[in-house]
Amino acid sequence: KAGVTQTPRYLIKTRGQQVTLSCSPISGHRSVSWYQQTPGQGLQFLFEYFSETQRNKGNFPGRFSGRQFSNSRSEMNVSTLELGDSALYLCASSAEGDTEAFFGQGTRLTVV
Amino acid sequence: AQSVTQLGSHVSVSEGALVLLRCNYSSSVPPYLFWYVQYPNQGLQLLLKYTSAATLVKGINGFEAEFKKSETSFHLTKPSAHMSDAAEYFCAVSHAGNNRKLIWGLGTSLAVNP
Repeated sequence: KAGVTQTPRYLIKTRGQQVTLSCSPISGHRSVSWYQQTPGQGLQFLFEYFSETQRNKGNFPGRFSGRQFSNSRSEMNVSTLELGDSALYLCASSAEGDTEAFFGQGTRLTVV
Repeated sequence: AQSVTQLGSHVSVSEGALVLLRCNYSSSVPPYLFWYVQYPNQGLQLLLKYTSAATLVKGINGFEAEFKKSETSFHLTKPSAHMSDAAEYFCAVSHAGNNRKLIWGLGTSLAVNP
């Protein structure tokens, strides 16, 4: 079965713009989590959605938001981009009752 | 609060030598522990996980890890390194239940020399 798909793979944006990243989970997975990966801070949890509801949230400013659709696909939005938002954004999906998170290949966002 | 410390940001071994990547955790509740591997420009792949069953966990590609509660450790080992093992390795912790929030170590870059 298909894995977690993230689009686009690469993105270049200008400071002040906003961006939307997409994640399609493995079929049947209802939990989608987002992580930011940077060389300095490592991997940090952004938020988790389950059945269209945000279930957990990390310590990121309100410029970072997300949503989940009825088909479990999820989007993440970052508004008013800053240079420090440049990172690899990873999405992971999980089946209910399963401890394993399956990761997509990520979207590399560069803010210039 | 939970946290993970990976000792050694870079580890270099010779092909065929023992691989030992260290991970210590802090958790106020019984933890779930994971090791993931990341190859360049790729996402993360689960190597193995501990979820309160056997303390010695065997994973993919010949890796294994032992959960030691008294030492709050979950070190990753492989008896004989292969060139294809060169990658970034991450230890992560979460707790039981439906909490999918993974807390990560900063990673260890493993180099394998011929």
